[in-house]
Amino acid sequence: DAKTTQPNSMESNEEEPVHLPCNHSTISGTDYIHWYRQLPSQGPEYVIHGLTSNVNNRMASLAIAEDRKSSTLILHRATLRDAAVYYCILLGGSGGSNYKLTFGKGTLLTVNP
Amino acid sequence: GAVVSQHPSRVICKSGTSVKIECRSLDFQATTMFWYRQFPKKSLMLMATSNEGSKATYEQGVEKDKFLINHASLTLSTLTVTSAHPEDSSFYICSLAGTSGRTDTQYFGPGTRLTVL
Repeated sequence: DAKTTQPNSMESNEEEPVHLPCNHSTISGTDYIHWYRQLPSQGPEYVIHGLTSNVNNRMASLAIAEDRKSSTLILHRATLRDAAVYYCILLGGSGGSNYKLTFGKGTLLTVNP
Repeated sequence: GAVVSQHPSRVICKSGTSVKIECRSLDFQATTMFWYRQFPKKSLMLMATSNEGSKATYEQGVEKDKFLINHASLTLSTLTVTSAHPEDSSFYICSLAGTSGRTDTQYFGPGTRLTVL
């Protein structure tokens, strides 16, 4: 399975933008890039996903490099409620089950007031 | 998105007893459900994939006779931890998937914290 690499932790200040990077240099052409986050003591929550083009939704934006070997999750204005572990996950396309999410260690985002 | 509930949210049991955890989809018919567990300060590990009306598929290293999964309907899957031991203490989380595979969002339950004394 294609792997992703994320920084262990990042810090941000409230109401400032946050750019969370993810490297996936072995991504296959049919892998989708998914982002989930997990708040303390809760189940994960879907954030956004994309294939090639940049994507926006009410929670975040996803910027995908032209060669698809990296992507960046952008939180436009961080709030204290955005403090969580953020997981970048590749889904499907490389021979395994299309449904399975393989969680790495993710990035622990701390938001300072 | 789909709303997923789990019951109970917390359970404490004695070693050797069995514990059943329910995962319900409140507004979505899920043909596929997943069960994960998460040890403290660790990431989620997939335990098994549950398909409605058929036997669950377990990940390598997960004992199917210890972790019994029943996906009897499109809105309910249960995980029974049989003869629980302290090393089974963990955070158990279920999720639902639609039918579009890699373009699909997965919806997660709030988790069940199991403590085995």
